[in-house]
Amino acid sequence: GAVVSQHPSWVICKSGTSVKIECRSLDFQATTMFWYRQFPKQSLMLMATSNEGSKATYEQGVEKDKFLINHASLTLSTLTVTSAHPEDSSFYICSALTSSGRYEQYFGPGTRLTVT
Amino acid sequence: KQEVTQIPAALSVPEGENLVLNCSFTDSAIYNLQWFRQDPGKGLTSLLLIQSSQREQTSGRLNASLDKSSGRSTLYIAASQPGDSATYLCAVLYGNNRLAFGKGNQVVVIP
Repeated sequence: GAVVSQHPSWVICKSGTSVKIECRSLDFQATTMFWYRQFPKQSLMLMATSNEGSKATYEQGVEKDKFLINHASLTLSTLTVTSAHPEDSSFYICSALTSSGRYEQYFGPGTRLTVT
Repeated sequence: KQEVTQIPAALSVPEGENLVLNCSFTDSAIYNLQWFRQDPGKGLTSLLLIQSSQREQTSGRLNASLDKSSGRSTLYIAASQPGDSATYLCAVLYGNNRLAFGKGNQVVVIP
């Protein structure tokens, strides 16, 4: 149980275009999901907290107009990278928080974004 | 702000040796601590989760301890195998469900 999927697993786009990444909790409902990014040989950095039915909470230094987050249902959160630039190339990972009392986050497999 | 440090950053051991990976965190007010494994270019695999009230967790060859008051955790991997080669990440859950990660211990087990 507690499986989280991401789609696509990798994407290449041209500079200036927008890319949408989906994060789904497959067998549980998640009122809270998180988006992270990871640069090569670096750790995961929290970008934003996504709450179902409300606006996302962004970490300091993350542009909310550039990284649009929509948590429209209890099993789906999307991250849209708008007007992508090469410096946005990174590994994006989402996680979903279970409400089992263990406060455990389950992670998706990640999406590799390359902006050319 | 919670900061997580992992030492050593990288290590190589011959097959069969025990691995000891260290993690420290600056704020002891945590809900839990989790150890993950990450293979190159892949996502995270959860290995062990220790609640703040617990002292250790075990799963097969893996054992993780937690000393919350001193802000430390150690992951032991017994009788290492080449398949254990990966990056191991430590993360603490604190505050408003925030998860702070260390930079990882990059492990190579030499056959």
